[in-house]
Amino acid sequence: DGGITQSPKYLFRKEGQNVTLSCEQNLNHDAMYWYRQDPGQGLRLIYYSQIVNDFQKGDIAEGYSVSREKKESFPLTVTSAQKNPTAFYLCASSLQERLNGYTFGSGTRLTVV
Amino acid sequence: GDSVTQMEGPVTLSEEAFLTINCTYTATGYPSLFWYVQYPGEGLQLLLKATKADDKGSNKGFEATYRKETTSFHLEKGSVQVSDSAVYFCALSGSGGYQKVTFGTGTKLQVIP
Repeated sequence: DGGITQSPKYLFRKEGQNVTLSCEQNLNHDAMYWYRQDPGQGLRLIYYSQIVNDFQKGDIAEGYSVSREKKESFPLTVTSAQKNPTAFYLCASSLQERLNGYTFGSGTRLTVV
Repeated sequence: GDSVTQMEGPVTLSEEAFLTINCTYTATGYPSLFWYVQYPGEGLQLLLKATKADDKGSNKGFEATYRKETTSFHLEKGSVQVSDSAVYFCALSGSGGYQKVTFGTGTKLQVIP
């Protein structure tokens, strides 16, 4: 079955470290997205990509970086410049958003230790 | 720009009670409308959708009708169960060209036995 896989499910980061969250989809979707969700809060868009080798900043891109070298993959790096990275990170993908909306992964919970 | 407004939560109901979660939107043209559900510790799942005015989306006993005249897409269920406890997000995808999905802030539903 097609879907989106996020890994790891739980991730711990020490102060000053960069960490990379994985997002892979086998749905043949063109567009992919990264969202951040804080406890009791809604979704905030970090980065999105409509096609391979192209991506745009969302509302809260500072302290994050992404790449889109393959259609199936859209990894997110949380850099040491992100001062408050503890959150739940969600990856999504889409094809024909007006008809189908987004398909989400199961999320990665990142905690700074 | 596009926006979605949901009723504040949390909403607490007894099992078998009637559920309404209000959602209104602002968008140009004729957006598509969606309801997503998020269970604790998981990603968002598409619950139902409507792509044109007067369409009714339905799934798992939940319903919502696309009302263009009132710019609303209220979620309803006739008899809620404890297993319906989750966060519900209203969302839209605009009608012009490539459009990201815009999400509301989410409404937490707690159903007590």
